[in-house]
Amino acid sequence: QVQLQESGPGLVKPSETLSLSCSVSGGSVSSGTYYWTWIRQSPGKGLEWVGYIYYSGTTKYNPSLKSRLTIGRDTSKNHFSLKLNSVTAADTAVYYCARSPSASWPSFDFWGRGTLVTVSS
Amino acid sequence: QSALTQPASLSGSPGQSITISCTGTNSDVGSYDYVSWYQQHPGKAPKLMIYEVGNRPSGVSNRFSGSKSGDRASLTISGLQAEDEAHYYCSSYTRSSTVDVVFGGGTKVTVL
Repeated sequence: QVQLQESGPGLVKPSETLSLSCSVSGGSVSSGTYYWTWIRQSPGKGLEWVGYIYYSGTTKYNPSLKSRLTIGRDTSKNHFSLKLNSVTAADTAVYYCARSPSASWPSFDFWGRGTLVTVSS
Repeated sequence: QSALTQPASLSGSPGQSITISCTGTNSDVGSYDYVSWYQQHPGKAPKLMIYEVGNRPSGVSNRFSGSKSGDRASLTISGLQAEDEAHYYCSSYTRSSTVDVVFGGGTKVTVL
């Protein structure tokens, strides 16, 4: 059974960098044809696709965030990461990491529990 | 404003059936059979209920079914149960040159 677990600071100051990690167990971020994805949900709002890193290392970002966003991975630790710089209050959200098999992209079959990140001074 | 349109809320009594609609365009729902549905209970992560319009992942009750007609996809919950009370979100692949996936705004299902 694949499990994903987000980790990172719950509070980030405006203009600073939000950094999150998603630890994966029961699967590998560098094998199998999967999209390892970040999705966020602002308080009381719907879901927003943030971006992904493919098992091959290819990335794609939501253009509304692209200039501030980097998604990477550490294959030795079997995790992938999100870095969002110059954050504002609008970036306050629950951030989920999720997996999508390429055969059924974009359906997300496994999700982390999510981590709330608040942007505030 | 979400790319896909869902009703904000629906309700039904135990045992009844309800259908949640998800309306898109010919850039997403209307052109691709890559519509998914997620169930989200308060404080929990979304759970995949339907993928590729009408396929159920292993372990999902057959009371949940999906369909599509034109630019509109639907999720039907048959034999409504108290545990079905949750938010439901649809998503679709999109041929937008920018994002790959769009979500609906979500529908709160209340079991009366």
